[in-house]
This record gives sequence, structure tokens and C-alpha cells, in this order.
Amino acid sequence: QKEVEQNSGPLSVPEGAIASLNCTYSDRVSQSFFWYRQYSGKSPELIMSIYSNGDKEDGRFTAQLNKASQYVSLLIRDSQPSDSATYLCAVDTGRRALTFGSGTRLQVQP
Amino acid sequence: DVKVTQSSRYLVKRTGEKVFLECVQDMDHENMFWYRQDPGLGLRLIYFSYDVKMKEKGDIPEGYSVSREKKERFSLILESASTNQTSMYLCASSPDTTNYGYTFGSGTRLTVV
Repeated sequence: QKEVEQNSGPLSVPEGAIASLNCTYSDRVSQSFFWYRQYSGKSPELIMSIYSNGDKEDGRFTAQLNKASQYVSLLIRDSQPSDSATYLCAVDTGRRALTFGSGTRLQVQP
Repeated sequence: DVKVTQSSRYLVKRTGEKVFLECVQDMDHENMFWYRQDPGLGLRLIYFSYDVKMKEKGDIPEGYSVSREKKERFSLILESASTNQTSMYLCASSPDTTNYGYTFGSGTRLTVV
């Protein structure tokens, strides 16, 4: 079983809709969780971090963490074509380095 | 802003060559990392370092080595390049892996022919 799993997509949503991206992880000791956005041909950039159960909001982005169920999600409200990218979930599994999922490709249709 | 600079954007090397990929960060971060990214496989950790002259193996260290002689510089070395090492190589740094996430360099796309 992979340590961090994401649906590869593509996830296609119309402009203005809510995009919901999900990630599950296998290590119960994980404490820190991150979402990165990666545009085609570019390197990943950090967009959200979350450490406690519940929701964390930053502008149009909301990260949700449920440690009991071992999942973390990212909601993007009012999706824009510029949000089209691959979204990577990353988890600190306690070894001083992050483990990444393989990413979900999001397509926002104008 | 933290800046992580990778010396080459594109490299083409021949099988068997020794290849050096350089990474420099300018924010006095303790931790530095090397990942490779391949389609469908995501980012896989090769090596990381949490202090000068310290290194730890990641998930796929075979065929690679690293050097960290100064805090700001972390080099990835392909001892004898092979075609299966054709990939995008990403360097990252962080002051603290558990709380701040990473800042990535722009990547080096290496092709081994």
C-alpha cells in the first residue's frame, strides 16, 4: 500500500464550481500535511498546510484534515481556469522528509 | 522570499558519465532534499540532509550520492549515469520539515542517452 494516495484524475470542473481534491495516508503518526500546486513544466509551490483536525481556510482554498479517518482534502471555491494544475498532497511521516502522493490533475473548464 | 537555485534547467549526458546536479539556497535552511519526479510515480525522495556533512538515504538512493560541504549547497551525484535515471530532478529546502513545508528549485530535466 502506498503511503500517500491520490486519485490521478483528471478532475474536471466548470468555472465557478467547487473542486474537491482528496488524499489518504497510511501512517497514523503523521502530524503535518501540505498541499502543493504544480503547473505543467514548473516546480511545486506550497499553497496550504494543516496540522490539526478540522478546516483551515485561506482565500478560496480550504484544507480539511481528519486524522481518525486518515484523510486530508483540499477544496477550491469559485474555481478558475488558472487553477488548472496538478495538486500534490504531502505528509510528514516522521522521518524528517515529506512523502508525496502522485498528484491529482485538475482541469477547470471555462 | 526563499530562493532555491538549481544550476541547470536542462542537461543531456551520456550513459556512464558522472553527473553533478547542484542546488543552492539563500535562506540559511538546515534541511535540503533531492527528489526525482516521473509521470505516474510522483515525487520520490533520493537523499536528504539536515545539517552540513550529514546525509540520509531516501526511498531510491541506489545509483546516487550526495555532498553537503556548506550549509547552502547540496549536490546530487550520479556516479555512472544510466538511461533509467532520465527524469526531472527537484531540489528543495526547509527550515523545519514538520511545520513549514518545502521551497522547491525550478528543477533540472536530465536526459541520459
